[in-house]
Order: sequence, then C-alpha cells, then structure tokens
Amino acid sequence: NFMLTQPHSVSESPGKTVTISCTRSSGSIASNYVQWYQQRPGSSPTTVIYEDNQRPSGVPDRFSGSIDSSSNSASLTISGLKTEDEADYYCQSYDSSNWVFGGGTKLTVL
Amino acid sequence: EVQLVQSGAEVKKPGESLKISCKGSGYSFTSYWIGWVRQMPGKGLEWMGIIYPGDSDTRYSPSFQGQVTISADKSISTAYLQWSSLKASDTAMYYCAVTPYWGQGTLVTVSS
Repeated sequence: NFMLTQPHSVSESPGKTVTISCTRSSGSIASNYVQWYQQRPGSSPTTVIYEDNQRPSGVPDRFSGSIDSSSNSASLTISGLKTEDEADYYCQSYDSSNWVFGGGTKLTVL
Repeated sequence: EVQLVQSGAEVKKPGESLKISCKGSGYSFTSYWIGWVRQMPGKGLEWMGIIYPGDSDTRYSPSFQGQVTISADKSISTAYLQWSSLKASDTAMYYCAVTPYWGQGTLVTVSS
C-alpha cells in the first residue's frame, strides 16, 4: 500500500502558472497511471488529466500533467491561470486494482 | 457521448437499507471498470470499490469491505451501491466513475 501526498493549498495570481505536486510514498510513480481531478465548489469532480498526461476532450491545453521519477511524484501544471480554475484538485493512482486518492489541494486564484 | 447518470438524492433513517444506481451510456458498459467514490461533507474523495460489469468481478477498499455491496446489471447498463443498514456516518455524496468520466453524484442523508 502507498499514499499520495499533495500540498493542502496553493495560491497564485491570474495569468501566472502554478504546479501542484503529488508524491507517492512507496513504489514507483511510473508504475501506475496518475489522474488529476478538478472539483469546483458544489460540483462533481471532472477529469483534467488521465494516464499521466492525457487531456480529455474539452480540457484546455493550459492544463498539463507529468511524472518525475527522481522525486517519485506527479505534477499538474496550470498555465495562464483564470479565476475559474479556483477549485480543489485531487491526484489518483492505482495500487494493483485499488484506487488511491491524494488528499486534495485547494487552488486559490487571487 | 459518454454519460453516467446517477439516481436522485435520498433521505433515510439509521438502520434502513438503500440501493443507489449509476446508469452508463455511450460506451461499452461491460468493458470498463466502474468505481464508487465517497465524499463526506467538507472532506476529500475516498475510493470505495470497483466492479467490472462484464463478469461482475468486484474489489473493495478495506475501509468499505463488509459495509457496502457493489453490483451491476449489464442488461440495463447500471451499477449499484447498496447498504443493508445505514448509519448517520454514511451521510455523504457518492459518485460513480469510469475513467475519465464521472456521474453527477447522489447525496445520501441519514438522520433520525
């Protein structure tokens, strides 16, 4: 079993770039795909990145995902921040067939 | 268009049973794992379990094993999450998901 650790909160100004990390506690981050979900207040989650770096249709290319084996972490980068990007973001991966979620990161765009 | 449409909000009393549903459309329902996720008020996402509708292979999070039952009826492309005896602590929003798609959520409120 492993855990995914995310920063509790991040903040940045509109137009800037922000990166949210997701660190895997044991085992290689590269061994299982990572997904990223956005959840705006009062709404259901939506997928912004799946399979490490794939964007579902309709997700702008301002959103990108990557993995870094040296830090055993995945990252979600949002460029050209907009106020509408303010939300909670969750990373998720797999432990065998089990899903593992990170604790979530609150992104404030101010 | 892929859609996961969940059943409506429920208000139940402790000890009552409940079965909520998630109907899939726009994709091959039997070919993809469907997951159930709990979100308690003000908290993060918790994985409950998954089912493969093609053969009903089901896996549970240790935290939810024995507490809920996940099933599917492939003839009507619908997955289910059920409780035999609800507790107040089951009050939460419940989501179904088939990566990368999510249902709209079902709010379950358990109160005497």
